[in-house]
Amino acid sequence: AQTVTQSQPEMSVQEAETVTLSCTYDTSESDYYLFWYKQPPSRQMILVIRQEAYKQQNATENRFSVNFQKAAKSFSLKISDSQLGDAAMYFCAYRSLSSGDKLTFGTGTRLAVRP
Amino acid sequence: DVKVTQSSRYLVKRTGEKVFLECVQDMDHENMFWYRQDPGLGLRLIYFSYDVKMKEKGDIPEGYSVSREKKERFSLILESASTNQTSMYLCASSTPGTVNEQFFGPGTRLTVL
Repeated sequence: AQTVTQSQPEMSVQEAETVTLSCTYDTSESDYYLFWYKQPPSRQMILVIRQEAYKQQNATENRFSVNFQKAAKSFSLKISDSQLGDAAMYFCAYRSLSSGDKLTFGTGTRLAVRP
Repeated sequence: DVKVTQSSRYLVKRTGEKVFLECVQDMDHENMFWYRQDPGLGLRLIYFSYDVKMKEKGDIPEGYSVSREKKERFSLILESASTNQTSMYLCASSTPGTVNEQFFGPGTRLTVL
């Protein structure tokens, strides 16, 4: 079974600075998808960014980018120019082609943004 | 905008009660999911459904059942609630396709006394 590990339960960043959240996963498959979801306090979980494993280019969405290292099974999220609204729980998730549309989530990282 | 709604934000029940958690999505999604979220454990899949009247067990189905009579509605049932089922429950929906994102509801925080 695939597992997803987020080793940082909590992180803190100064407003306007850059922060990187780490995620590693364990799989024997070669084709899969990776996601970062954001859960703001008392608000719904939303997708931040997604990466297809067959793509070597790292995904980018505005201030959010990933560092995808397939050989190392690492999928970190970088948030540039952090804003107060970035404060949230961030979950890394894995989906394999063989498991249909099911996601396996990590345990989450709570990000605080200091003004 | 995709909208996934859940019947209650907060719910308090007694041990042994039968509990229904309702989820409705308005985007005609085939897939629907129920997760529970606990601190330090992340999200764990309870049940999911690929179509009306179809259901499959997730990673932690014990103590739960589901019902999907209509495409837009997916219900989670706790037949006899126990204190260890106190948790945040999240519903999600998606269209088939492994790259597609799941859209989440606001969650129901269930407390079983």
